Amino acid sequence: DAGVTQSPTHLIKTRGQHVTLRCSPISGHKSVSWYQQVLGQGPQFIFQYYEKEERGRGNFPDRFSARQFPNYSSELNVNALLLGDSALYLCASSLGQGWYQETQYFGPGTRLLVL
Amino acid sequence: AQTVTQSQPEMSVQEAETVTLSCTYDTSESDYYLFWYKQPPSRQMILVIRQEAYKQQNATENRFSVNFQKAAKSFSLKISDSQLGDAAMYFCAYYNQGGKLIFGQGTELSVKP
Repeated sequence: DAGVTQSPTHLIKTRGQHVTLRCSPISGHKSVSWYQQVLGQGPQFIFQYYEKEERGRGNFPDRFSARQFPNYSSELNVNALLLGDSALYLCASSLGQGWYQETQYFGPGTRLLVL
Repeated sequence: AQTVTQSQPEMSVQEAETVTLSCTYDTSESDYYLFWYKQPPSRQMILVIRQEAYKQQNATENRFSVNFQKAAKSFSLKISDSQLGDAAMYFCAYYNQGGKLIFGQGTELSVKP
């Protein structure tokens, strides 16, 4: 079975631009979470979606938004990019049947560099 | 708010030896999950082991085991018979009832041949 997939693998943008990152969960998983990992730090939670509804949001500005589609794939959008948005963006999927059953499985990530 | 602390930025172990990575956390919740994830240079985050807080028995997965001390809010990872492929960044993570993973700062493990 395929694991979590993310596209693109690498991306270079300039300040002020907009970026869209994509994620496809493991088959049968209905929940997708997004994390930002700055070099040398642990991942920070951005969003969690379940059945197309936002179920959780981390401490990120409104420039960050996301959505989940009927096939459970997800997009993370970042507007007005800043240099500090340069990071590895990780997507994780889980069954979504209840927090007590949850284990999150991660994709390979998208490396975003903002110049 | 919950926090996770890994006090060892770097650890080193000889191949075939045993190493223990430390993790402490702070929470007021009584039920939660704890995880150890491994992140090799490829940056793919790989699940190593999971512990349910309501279970007193420590989780074990082959060469990986945990020492879970709920009262002390401690969750250490023991790697036995270390192999070169174990070299990676290891993250301890707390899963709260709000549905998000909270990660520690990571411990970089090197394995010497």
